[in-house]
Amino acid sequence: GAGVSQSPSNKVTEKGKDVELRCDPISGHTALYWYRQRLGQGLEFLIYFQGNSAPDKSGLPSDRFSAERTGESVSTLTIQRTQQEDSAVYLCASSLRPGTDTQYFGPGTRLTVL
Amino acid sequence: AQSVSQHNHHVILSEAASLELGCNYSYGGTVNLFWYVQYPGQHLQLLLKYFSGDPLVKGIKGFEAEFIKSKFSFNLRKPSVQWSDTAEYFCAVTGSQGNLIFGKGTKLSVKP
Repeated sequence: GAGVSQSPSNKVTEKGKDVELRCDPISGHTALYWYRQRLGQGLEFLIYFQGNSAPDKSGLPSDRFSAERTGESVSTLTIQRTQQEDSAVYLCASSLRPGTDTQYFGPGTRLTVL
Repeated sequence: AQSVSQHNHHVILSEAASLELGCNYSYGGTVNLFWYVQYPGQHLQLLLKYFSGDPLVKGIKGFEAEFIKSKFSFNLRKPSVQWSDTAEYFCAVTGSQGNLIFGKGTKLSVKP
């Protein structure tokens, strides 16, 4: 595709529900990153995939967060039993290779937990 | 752990004024540095990046940044801003997993 796409663009959910956020990276990009931006704060790194492998999951905020990636394409970020503090914009980025290659960002998913 | 500081939260300038946005990072070794911009309603996009070589880096739309290793700084500059430069600007450094570690961002408002 032309760029990184994310869906849904907006998600409103009730506290305690599970949500699934999707990211479609640029075709051919092996590296994929998830970040989140809470109101008034900078972007916080969550997890990184090289291919379909996530070498380090320590950036995920809690065990309610999980992510997976199918091959070198779509990734999903799942938040179980959502809490109000999970409200944020979740951004996905991809790059040709990990490290110094430019990361291209998607438009984000705005998650609101009521 | 690496960290990035952007000291200006909100900068307001008139058109044609000069711009300098501060960015400091914490790590003393080899660093890869970036400035990203987010225009209203748009995606984050890369303005410029520094990996090695000439410490004065030129980016898109007339922006430049200077890497000063002794000051752990990578300040963004533009000699004459336009209304269309109104946006949020983020400084970032590469982390251990190739991820970006961002500062909290600086909102720039340019008055026509």
